[in-house]
Amino acid sequence: QKEVEQNSGPLSVPEGAIASLNCTYSDRVSQSFFWYRQYSGKSPELIMSIYSNGDKEDGRFTAQLNKASQYVSLLIRDSQPSDSATYLCAAVFWGTASKLTFGTGTRLQVTL
Amino acid sequence: DAGVIQSPRHEVTEMGQEVTLRCKPISGHDYLFWYRQTMMRGLELLIYFNNNVPIDDSGMPEDRFSAKMPNASFSTLKIQPSEPRDSAVYFCASSWEGNYGYTFGSGTRLTVV
Repeated sequence: QKEVEQNSGPLSVPEGAIASLNCTYSDRVSQSFFWYRQYSGKSPELIMSIYSNGDKEDGRFTAQLNKASQYVSLLIRDSQPSDSATYLCAAVFWGTASKLTFGTGTRLQVTL
Repeated sequence: DAGVIQSPRHEVTEMGQEVTLRCKPISGHDYLFWYRQTMMRGLELLIYFNNNVPIDDSGMPEDRFSAKMPNASFSTLKIQPSEPRDSAVYFCASSWEGNYGYTFGSGTRLTVV
């Protein structure tokens, strides 16, 4: 079974700090990776995607992908209380076109 | 655009009853996904459709679950008979070919007592 794994948290960081969220996946041939954010009681929304090894930056968010080690991470710089949410890692595995497999999510708490 | 519309928002039903969840995808999206979310198992894909045709239903837990998409603007997920372990939030999402930025509906919180 192809899987995406995350630590459920909660991960607590002070306001202004860097939050680091990690995700590992089971399939060495995975194609694409995504980070979704889900506020409590709301639906998930896409915040980042990454397809190749290395870093991808978008504002305060940086996604990092290391296919050899089979992990993907999300860094949030200058964390704000509004970043408090559950962050879901998702992957498209080879041979499962158009189908996202999600991890169980990591809950982030940004404290004042 | 009103986004993906799901109904009802909340459903409380007794064990053994039939439950029908409804979804209207975004116009022009040709993929529709049904997910179930629980604390223990996270977001699980139940079934997805492409151009109204079911492509992969391997996530449907058992024969009690069925899904249909009679046209491009409507889909249903039915549970008959319902059981307490079916209690979860059910999300519908839609997208188009090659796009993984799914648009999720607001979800239906199902409670089976």
